[in-house]
Amino acid sequence: KQEVTQIPAALSVPEGENLVLNCSFTDSAIYNLQWFRQDPGKGLTSLLLIQSSQREQTSGRLNASLDKSSGRSTLYIAASQPGDSATYLCAVIWDSNYQLIWGAGTKLIIKP
Amino acid sequence: NAGVTQTPKFQVLKTGQSMTLQCAQDMNHEYMSWYRQDPGMGLRLIHYSVGAGITDQGEVPNGYNVSRSTTEDFPLRLLSAAPSQTSVYFCASSVTGTNTEAFFGQGTRLTVV
Repeated sequence: KQEVTQIPAALSVPEGENLVLNCSFTDSAIYNLQWFRQDPGKGLTSLLLIQSSQREQTSGRLNASLDKSSGRSTLYIAASQPGDSATYLCAVIWDSNYQLIWGAGTKLIIKP
Repeated sequence: NAGVTQTPKFQVLKTGQSMTLQCAQDMNHEYMSWYRQDPGMGLRLIHYSVGAGITDQGEVPNGYNVSRSTTEDFPLRLLSAAPSQTSVYFCASSVTGTNTEAFFGQGTRLTVV
């Protein structure tokens, strides 16, 4: 069964730290992997999209890597800020029915 | 630029009632989809559409209907609401289904009593 797992479910770090969020997935034959941010009571915002042929994508202080062979992706956040506090979701598309398979998310709290 | 607009934001239904969740996008995206999000679980796909006039079932389609008469609109209908349908519902759109980023609406929080 194709599954996406995010560990830990919650993470709390002091402001200014660099941090890594993890996403693991079964089956390496993916189309793409996306990282999203969800703020309480809000919708989801796409952060980074990594195609299956790519190894990483960068946007500002965010860097996402993809290692299909090991079934892992990481989201690196540099110099964390309180405004980065949110739930971060990882989602994978495996096949042509376009279905995003989601992890349950990591709730990140950045302490001032 | 409105993006993906969902209405209503909140709704309380009695068991057995029906209703339609509205979703509209102004980006001329071909692909649209509906997900539900339950506590402690990842989002799950209910129905999706790859273009006007074309819809298909996702992982959890039972109890829901959809139609896609225009590129812009993709309403989700609850036929006879049940407490198990209490959830947060998200509509999403993208240029294509597989290789472009997905844009999400703000969500509809539905409670069935």
